[in-house]
Amino acid sequence: LAKTTQPISMDSYEGQEVNITCSHNNIATNDYITWYQQFPSQGPRFIIQGYKTKVTNEVASLFIPADRKSSTLSLPRVSLSDTAVYYCLVGDLNTNAGKSTFGDGTTLTVKP
Amino acid sequence: SAVISQKPSRDICQRGTSLTIQCQVDSQVTMMFWYRQQPGQSLTLIATANQGSEATYESGFVIDKFPISRPNLTFSTLTVSNMSPEDSSIYLCSVEGGSGRFFGPGTRLTVL
Repeated sequence: LAKTTQPISMDSYEGQEVNITCSHNNIATNDYITWYQQFPSQGPRFIIQGYKTKVTNEVASLFIPADRKSSTLSLPRVSLSDTAVYYCLVGDLNTNAGKSTFGDGTTLTVKP
Repeated sequence: SAVISQKPSRDICQRGTSLTIQCQVDSQVTMMFWYRQQPGQSLTLIATANQGSEATYESGFVIDKFPISRPNLTFSTLTVSNMSPEDSSIYLCSVEGGSGRFFGPGTRLTVL
C-alpha cells in the first residue's frame, strides 16, 4: 500500500489559489489518487479523484505528473469556509477497496 | 453519491459497557467500512464488512472488541465492547461509490 506524505499545515488568505502536494513514491500501477476534505465534527467529503495528468471539477483541480509519484490539489480562490483538513488517499479501488491508508492530512487555514 | 446516516451521533458511556453504532446507506452497497478517528488524528480503518460474510479486521483490531454485523446491503452495525477511555474517538462508516469513498457523519464516543 502506498504511503502518502503531505505538509502538516498551510496558511492562505481569502481569494488566493492554494496548492497542496502529496507524495506517494510507492504508488502502484492500479492505484488511483483521491482527495478528501474534512471539517471538524464531520466525516471526510470527497473532493476529486484522478489517475494521471489533470482532472478538474467544479471545486478543484488535481495535477498528477507522468511518474505519478506525487499529486497536487489546487483550490482556486479559497474562502474562509475552505478552512479544513485535506487528505490525500492512494489505493486500488477495485482490488483493495477500503485498504487505502489515510495519511496525516494537511490542515489548511484560510485567513481574511 | 451515497447518503449515509449514523446513530447515535454522539454518546457518553461508562467504562466496561458496550455501545452499538448503526450505519444506514440510501443505496445497496457491497462493501461497508468502519473507521476510527481519535482526537486530532487521521482516520484508521477498523474493518471491512461484506454482506453475508465475516468482517475482515485490520491489524490491531479484533472481533471480540469490535463485533460487526452486516445483515443486508444497506445497513451495518459496529459494537465497541467493554469500553475504556482509550476508545474515546469518532467512529465513521464508509462506502465505496463510483467516484470515491463516502463517509457518514460519524459517532462521537466519549468513555468516562
